Amino acid sequence: NAGVTQTPKFQVLKTGQSMTLQCAQDMNHNSMYWYRQDPGMGLRLIYYSASEGTTDKGEVPNGYNVSRLNKREFSLRLESAAPSQTSVYFCASSEARDTEAFFGQGTRLTVV
Amino acid sequence: GQSLEQPSEVTAVEGAIVQINCTYQTSGFYGLSWYQQHDGGAPTFLSYNALDGLEETGRFSSFLSRSDSYGYLLLQELQMKDSASYFCAVALGGFKTIFGAGTRLFVKA
Repeated sequence: NAGVTQTPKFQVLKTGQSMTLQCAQDMNHNSMYWYRQDPGMGLRLIYYSASEGTTDKGEVPNGYNVSRLNKREFSLRLESAAPSQTSVYFCASSEARDTEAFFGQGTRLTVV
Repeated sequence: GQSLEQPSEVTAVEGAIVQINCTYQTSGFYGLSWYQQHDGGAPTFLSYNALDGLEETGRFSSFLSRSDSYGYLLLQELQMKDSASYFCAVALGGFKTIFGAGTRLFVKA
């Protein structure tokens, strides 16, 4: 049982490049989330998807887009990467908003 | 705006008890969660409180007072492996969950 799987684990981008972070969960959860974690700032919600077919902005959505491809997969796209987007990105899923969230192992992204 | 406050660092001795506090100011509240994160790892769920009172899970307990917008995580019989960062998180309306900045716990021998 893999849980939440993120790819890639590490990535270096040049300013202005684009990329998509992939996330898949095998727990049949309804809700999925993308967070970024910067030193000393905890986790900040970028986008979330309460259920298949819906997506909503979180605390820091600027510069990102998301796609809930199906119930299993939720991708995060950076259209034009900026150094300020250097961070660790975590995908998470949960059955409902008041239940345990399961996190992937993270993607460490550096934009130079 | 939304804010969660927790201490940045706590140090305790192996075998001791430590309490990590969390106060919050949010528009909307469904519950308070606690997560543990070791360096380089992913956050893992510890507990969730939706109602006032104490929830106990093994060596870990979590408390919530909704009237005081306050909660805490209590770790008993501290072990070296408990050295990690601990985050409180508030479930808001609309499936949003926001996290505090985290408390780094150092357990000394």
